[in-house]
Amino acid sequence: QQQVKQSPQSLIVQKGGISIINCAYENTAFDYFPWYQQFPGKGPALLIAIRPDVSEKKEGRFTISFNKSAKQFSLHIMDSQPGDSATYFCAASIPVPGANNLFFGTGTRLTVIP
Amino acid sequence: KAGVTQTPRYLIKTRGQQVTLSCSPISGHRSVSWYQQTPGQGLQFLFEYFSETQRNKGNFPGRFSGRQFSNSRSEMNVSTLELGDSALYLCASSGGDPLSRTQYFGPGTRLTVL
Repeated sequence: QQQVKQSPQSLIVQKGGISIINCAYENTAFDYFPWYQQFPGKGPALLIAIRPDVSEKKEGRFTISFNKSAKQFSLHIMDSQPGDSATYFCAASIPVPGANNLFFGTGTRLTVIP
Repeated sequence: KAGVTQTPRYLIKTRGQQVTLSCSPISGHRSVSWYQQTPGQGLQFLFEYFSETQRNKGNFPGRFSGRQFSNSRSEMNVSTLELGDSALYLCASSGGDPLSRTQYFGPGTRLTVL
């Protein structure tokens, strides 16, 4: 059972364009939603994270939009660059001490064409 | 600060053997989590250790075990290896606060079972 559903599986965007990756969840106990970026041969690196008390968080070219009522959140990459080509994972966790594990989406392979 | 380090980076084993992987967290971090990453199942949580105690466990068979030492370094062991255990094993560390949610990943150990 996939607790966090992610789409699309792959995405091709022109340089300078906007990349949008979507995630949805069912468990309303989730209260922490990070996005990770992973390059081949590397571990996932935290990009940006949001909690459900805000609807949007922006860091540089990366923005998370959060819709609590729809139980959806998305990552927007503005002015996409070839260096952004990587696999992106959304994740979620619940605020229970001793349950700090992340539930990951299945990943989106982003390719930015020069 | 140095990041999360994992050794070895690559391992080749045969079915039936056992393997031990090592993880050194970021200095000062007391929580270490382990994840398995495969193309088919994505990133799945194995277990988490905090102050030498396992405080959370994912849905993996008992062949997968781990431990944490007083210096927060962690090891995971897989006994009686199966072909399906071939994966990238990732270690992630979190800060000294038991409620810290941000996880920082190491580069992983690529295990191939022949």
